[in-house]
Amino acid sequence: DAGITQSPRYKITETGRQVTLMCHQTWSHSYMFWYRQDLGHGLRLIYYSAAADITDKGEVPDGYVVSRSKTENFPLTLESATRSQTSVYFCASSEPYLGGTGELFFGEGSRLTVL
Amino acid sequence: AQSVAQPEDQVNVAEGNPLTVKCTYSVSGNPYLFWYVQYPNRGLQFLLKYITGDNLVKGSYGFEAEFNKSQTSFHLKKPSALVSDSALYFCAVRGSSSNTGKLIFGQGTTLQVKP
Repeated sequence: DAGITQSPRYKITETGRQVTLMCHQTWSHSYMFWYRQDLGHGLRLIYYSAAADITDKGEVPDGYVVSRSKTENFPLTLESATRSQTSVYFCASSEPYLGGTGELFFGEGSRLTVL
Repeated sequence: AQSVAQPEDQVNVAEGNPLTVKCTYSVSGNPYLFWYVQYPNRGLQFLLKYITGDNLVKGSYGFEAEFNKSQTSFHLKKPSALVSDSALYFCAVRGSSSNTGKLIFGQGTTLQVKP
C-alpha cells in the first residue's frame, strides 16, 4: 500500500538495550523526519534527512542515530535506551521542493516504553 | 528564529457552535502555514495549508483558516462544530526561504466538542 509505515507500532524494552524503529515511505519523497511526541512538549524534531546519505540533527538528537541508505527508508536507532526516551515516535516525509509545498505526511507512530 | 504559538491548551465548544483554534507565528520570509489534526493513538493528519493567494483557506472536514499577515496569525475555524471534531490540533510553519524542509510545530490545542 502507498504511504508511510512505521514498525513496530509498540515496543517495550529495558534500559541500556539497543532499539531500532523502522520507517518506510512509498512516495519517493526526498525529505524524511523523525519526531518525538511527549506530553507538554508537543512535537520535537530528532533528526531529518534531505536525501539518501544526507542527514542532519534536529532539536533533540542526543542518544539517537539515523541512517538513510535508500530514499524510502529512514530507521531511527536508540543505541542505549534510557527511560527518558519513553515516548511516541513519529516518522514523516515531505517533498518541499520540486513542485511540492512541504506538508508533512506522518506515519501512525511507534510507542516506545523503556523500563 | 522560527516559532509557532498556540496560546490555548484546550478549547471547549458546544456541538453546533462555531469554533476557533488560535495560532500565531514568527518566521523569516513569507510563511508557509499548516494545520494538522491528531486523533487518539493515530498519526497527524494534514488539514489545510496556506502558501500564497487568498487569505481564507478551506480544508478537510469543513475546516478553514484565515491568514492575517499584519497579526502574524493563522487561526483555524469551523462554522459548526461536531463531537467528532474533538481531537488535538497542531499549527505548523515553514519560511519560504528555508532550505531544510523542516516544519516548526506549536504545542498543540485540544479541542473538546460537547453534545
